Amino acid sequence: DAKTTQPPSMDCAEGRAANLPCNHSTISGNEYVYWYRQIHSQGPQYIIHGLKNNETNEMASLIITEDRKSSTLILPHATLRDTAVYYCIVRAPITNAGKSTFGDGTTLTVKP
Amino acid sequence: GAVVSQHPSRVICKSGTSVKIECRSLDFQATTMFWYRQFPKQSLMLMATSNEGSKATYEQGVEKDKFLINHASLTLSTLTVTSAHPEDSSFYICSASRGPRGGKLFFGSGTQLSVL
Repeated sequence: DAKTTQPPSMDCAEGRAANLPCNHSTISGNEYVYWYRQIHSQGPQYIIHGLKNNETNEMASLIITEDRKSSTLILPHATLRDTAVYYCIVRAPITNAGKSTFGDGTTLTVKP
Repeated sequence: GAVVSQHPSRVICKSGTSVKIECRSLDFQATTMFWYRQFPKQSLMLMATSNEGSKATYEQGVEKDKFLINHASLTLSTLTVTSAHPEDSSFYICSASRGPRGGKLFFGSGTQLSVL
């Protein structure tokens, strides 16, 4: 799986959009981008994933650049409950999902 | 969405005892489940892949006799930490994959194990 790079931490004001970047410059053509988050002392939670088109669901939006070398997770209206560690993962469908490499992620702190 | 239930959420045990952690997929069948451990302020580390009806596959450096995994049904996998020692104290998490191409991982809520 392609390696990802994320900033270690970010702050965001409550009610504002949180934009979390992820670099995956070595991504292959068949690899998807997945985002998960982990709230303190809980198991991670799936957020969203995409291949090359932008995606949106009830939790977030995922913007993937045209060259697919980077992506941004957008939480449109961050709340205090969105404070968590956010993981960006790149993997190919054929590989074992459980072997997804969880790097250090980005610790997002939403402040009042 | 898919739900994975993990119990217990917290366990405290004496050194030398064994502890069993259960992981259940509540609304789907999971032929494969995964077990991770996580130390404070660190990321998840995959320990083993649990396969229904067959032996688990352990990651390098994980002692299979220490961490016994059983996956007897399509909805239940168990992890038993045998002869636990203080260094086994950690946050243990299970997951199961679902969705197109099995890409989405759904996680249990985790088990905080403290060995005294």
